[in-house]
Amino acid sequence: DVKVTQSSRYLVKRTGEKVFLECVQDMDHENMFWYRQDPGLGLRLIYFSYDVKMKEKGDIPEGYSVSREKKERFSLILESASTNQTSMYLCASSPGGAASYQPQHFGDGTRLSIL
Amino acid sequence: SQQGEEDPQALSIQEGENATMNCSYKTSINNLQWYRQNSGRGLVHLILIRSNEREKHSGRLRVTLDTSKKSSSLLITASRAADTASYFCATVPSGNTPLVFGKGTRLSVIA
Repeated sequence: DVKVTQSSRYLVKRTGEKVFLECVQDMDHENMFWYRQDPGLGLRLIYFSYDVKMKEKGDIPEGYSVSREKKERFSLILESASTNQTSMYLCASSPGGAASYQPQHFGDGTRLSIL
Repeated sequence: SQQGEEDPQALSIQEGENATMNCSYKTSINNLQWYRQNSGRGLVHLILIRSNEREKHSGRLRVTLDTSKKSSSLLITASRAADTASYFCATVPSGNTPLVFGKGTRLSVIA
């Protein structure tokens, strides 16, 4: 069965720390995505990638960066964590081709708290 | 960039009743997708309807699409307590761009 695995379900970090959120998919998907989900705001796209070593900014990339060195792994990096980055972070993947046509498969999310 | 907007924001019904959720969007689309999210979990894809389709079924789910009104509806028939979740529509605004999700409808099915 399709599986997207996020490294942590819950994470607590301090302001100013560099934070790494890891996501691995086992479906050989070309496309991977990072979202954050906040009450009343829905899902907002942070970054996405259509291929290894490729990345594109989403709607809210400020304060974040990403890394995709291998096809199956997409990492989200908070360069210097701030309290307004406390949120639920969701990773997703989808097959290649026209990304817009394909349903996305999601991990269970990482609930990140920045103190 | 919010494309889809679900209505209502929250819905509470009795087990066995039907639940209808609506989604409106602003620009032309290639397809529209519905997802479900149980509390504290990731989203699960339910159904995809293409712009040239008007209706699609999957088990107890029925999705309609009206491109002239830029709207879609998700009907869950004979609802169960296990259907309690948030439901999101997601649209593809144009070309090779990622999905854009709405804010969701929170459905509560009371046993």
